Amino acid sequence: TQLLEQSPQFLSIQEGENLTVYCNSSSVFSSLQWYRQEPGEGPVLLVTVVTGGEVKKLKRLTFQFGDARKDSSLHITAAQPGDTGLYLCPGGTYKYIFGTGTRLKVLA
Amino acid sequence: DTGVSQNPRHKITKRGQNVTFRCDPISEHNRLYWYRQTLGQGPEFLTYFQNEAQLEKSRLLSDRFSAERPKGSFSTLEIQRTEQGDSAMYLCASSPRTGGAPNEQYFGPGTRLTVT
Repeated sequence: TQLLEQSPQFLSIQEGENLTVYCNSSSVFSSLQWYRQEPGEGPVLLVTVVTGGEVKKLKRLTFQFGDARKDSSLHITAAQPGDTGLYLCPGGTYKYIFGTGTRLKVLA
Repeated sequence: DTGVSQNPRHKITKRGQNVTFRCDPISEHNRLYWYRQTLGQGPEFLTYFQNEAQLEKSRLLSDRFSAERPKGSFSTLEIQRTEQGDSAMYLCASSPRTGGAPNEQYFGPGTRLTVT
């Protein structure tokens, strides 16, 4: 059974700070997705990474896929209150396996 | 709006009652998934369909739960004899996955169920 861990579980920072959150799996991912979920809403897809070592940027968000495709990181530069939410990094060839996510709160 | 839609958004019911939720996927997507998310946790897989065929059900899905996807379009999830432990957000997602494409799923806004 594939296990997926995200860290940290909770993060509270001031507006303008940088942060990195991590996603680690016990097995290799064929692809990995990052989502952000706001309270009371469904997860919204941010990015998909496929190739080991791949780096993708989405404005102030930088996503990196580990060389072995078992881990990934999300770095946010100059965080803003609008970045607040639950960040999820599920993997799976059809059904998703989720960790508990990283709950980020950015204070103005 | 061409995204995934779910109805109702909120449902409050008394223990023992039956409830049914509906999911309308993105129109060209042939795969549809149901997940359940409790407070403070990530979503957990319940079941998925490829077209009208239900291909897998999680052990989390007790006999009180049933899902259908007639004609491979919308899907319904029914919970019979609801229990307080069924209180959760029920999420539906759809995917256009074909061949070797990455498994990108698009989620609806969810149905929040509260069993009193």
